[in-house]
Amino acid sequence: SQQGEEDPQALSIQEGENATMNCSYKTSINNLQWYRQNSGRGLVHLILIRSNEREKHSGRLRVTLDTSKKSSSLLITASRAADTASYFCAVDRGSTLGRLYFGRGTQLTVWP
Amino acid sequence: KAGVTQTPRYLIKTRGQQVTLSCSPISGHRSVSWYQQTPGQGLQFLFEYFSETQRNKGNFPGRFSGRQFSNSRSEMNVSTLELGDSALYLCASSLGGGRILVANEQFFGPGTRLTVL
Repeated sequence: SQQGEEDPQALSIQEGENATMNCSYKTSINNLQWYRQNSGRGLVHLILIRSNEREKHSGRLRVTLDTSKKSSSLLITASRAADTASYFCAVDRGSTLGRLYFGRGTQLTVWP
Repeated sequence: KAGVTQTPRYLIKTRGQQVTLSCSPISGHRSVSWYQQTPGQGLQFLFEYFSETQRNKGNFPGRFSGRQFSNSRSEMNVSTLELGDSALYLCASSLGGGRILVANEQFFGPGTRLTVL
């Protein structure tokens, strides 16, 4: 598959804990992007990490990329109930104009 | 800047009908991509338009078509609706551009929820 594949499929934690989601892919990439989707709504762009970057931060989000292992991880620190959503990684291969390849997502539930 | 807008937000149609969905990208963005999201298949790429030209197309039947106007607004059309077309249809806009290695950072609209009865 050319898609990103997230792991785990579902994650349930308490408020204040950290949440880590992983993404694996099979092709070379230009960049990898993470998105959040609240139930039945549009995708919110969280962060983009380029193939020549290893780590990127944005607020409580930390994304790592290991191109040798073809994997990425998204860490959400000090989770809040409002972080409850589905999280998707999307691969930009660079050679397929306008197309991102999405995984099935990780459903994160944060309990108050 | 205003975000990506999609209209209508909800739509109910019957089998055999056709439907047109609209997407207005972020100002200055010239690329619009369309995706279909279903519980069974996840997010699937339909097609992408840049400067009124379709540059890329996914594996959907010819009943699914689209177009882009000179102001970058895009529409997608589904003819002869089937029950399986029930889905959330998402459009995403990005700057686009001629260089294929430019980051394809996409920003999504809220989606149109299509229900086919």
